[in-house]
Amino acid sequence: DAGVTQSPTHLIKTRGQQVTLRCSPISGHKSVSWYQQVLGQGPQFIFQYYEKEERGRGNFPDRFSARQFPNYSSELNVNALLLGDSALYLCASSLEWGQGQFFGPGTRLTVL
Amino acid sequence: QKEVEQNSGPLSVPEGAIASLNCTYSDRGSQSFFWYRQYSGKSPELIMSIYSNGDKEDGRFTAQLNKASQYVSLLIRDSQPSDSATYLCAVNGGSQGNLIFGKGTKLSVKP
Repeated sequence: DAGVTQSPTHLIKTRGQQVTLRCSPISGHKSVSWYQQVLGQGPQFIFQYYEKEERGRGNFPDRFSARQFPNYSSELNVNALLLGDSALYLCASSLEWGQGQFFGPGTRLTVL
Repeated sequence: QKEVEQNSGPLSVPEGAIASLNCTYSDRGSQSFFWYRQYSGKSPELIMSIYSNGDKEDGRFTAQLNKASQYVSLLIRDSQPSDSATYLCAVNGGSQGNLIFGKGTKLSVKP
């Protein structure tokens, strides 16, 4: 079975621009979460969706938004990019609530 | 503020030895505990899940959970150079289903 997929792999943007990151969960997985990881730190929680409803939001500004589609795929949008948004953005899926989450390869975002 | 603490290392062990990685967490309501392995430049890979007190073994890996002490550990037996990576401890965030991660412990296995 295919794992979690994310696109694009790498992205370079300039300050003030907007970006959309995409994620497809493992087939049958209903929960999708987004995390931001900067060098030397563990992933930080951004959003979680379960059955297409937002179930949790981390301590990130309103410039960050997300949604989950009927096929359980998900998008993360970041507006008005700042230099500090440069990071690895990870999508993870799980079969059910509270179970182990499986990560995709991530999208490396660089903001210049 | 729910926190997960890990020794950042690096932890260096010789090939064939037992590597012991430790993690403490602050939220007594946490129910699910996970260990992830992350190679440099790659995404985290789930290697162990543990939900109840005691030990859980999977191949060369053993996860140990002590909820009273709010302590989780990972033992890697017969360590191999390919085990060299950063190991992330993660705890389920309670009412939200998100994971709270430690900063990770960097393990180096010397041939």
